[in-house]
Amino acid sequence: DAGITQSPRHKVTETGTPVTLRCHQTENHRYMYWYRQDPGHGLRLIHYSYGVKDTDKGEVSDGYSVSRSKTEDFLLTLESATSSQTSVYFCATLDPTDTQYFGPGTRLTVL
Amino acid sequence: AQSVAQPEDQVNVAEGNPLTVKCTYSVSGNPYLFWYVQYPNRGLQFLLKYITGDNLVKGSYGFEAEFNKSQTSFHLKKPSALVSDSALYFCAFSNDYKLSFGAGTTVTVRA
Repeated sequence: DAGITQSPRHKVTETGTPVTLRCHQTENHRYMYWYRQDPGHGLRLIHYSYGVKDTDKGEVSDGYSVSRSKTEDFLLTLESATSSQTSVYFCATLDPTDTQYFGPGTRLTVL
Repeated sequence: AQSVAQPEDQVNVAEGNPLTVKCTYSVSGNPYLFWYVQYPNRGLQFLLKYITGDNLVKGSYGFEAEFNKSQTSFHLKKPSALVSDSALYFCAFSNDYKLSFGAGTTVTVRA
């Protein structure tokens, strides 16, 4: 999986609480991405980063923020989790052949 | 709006028979097209991509895909399916280093 780890792998939280998901890569790739996967929608891009401190919004960015203070780490934060954010979250990086490789995913349940 | 579509939610085939998973695209210019596979409770694995050149692209695990510009299609094929090919398959296109996915096709290969 191109040296991508995600933590935690599973999380259950309550509505209104903040949640941070971490993505760590060992390949020194410039681009990193956060997607969410929901049945019937495939994967949808939440936010992405094209370098340290350089981030931009994706298709479904409302309710999410990101930070990238180091090349290897890309954090996704839900400031105040809602039940609609129950999903499986995947991190990805872009390799030099313009191919994205994905982490193992984080299953988030918001009660 | 640019998009890819996977017209079949499910594909069922017998082991040893040919497997085809369909993808059509509506992308301007020269599309960058990808296929990924997701096994149960796993992340996405890259199978193959079309960037330019030969319309027949060969990928991992014996899969191949044919880029057809006149039919705006990029169907995934395998000559002889295995039970272990049972998984969720995603077609995607890349726009400015960001992927947009189809909704996915669940493939079941019966023994």
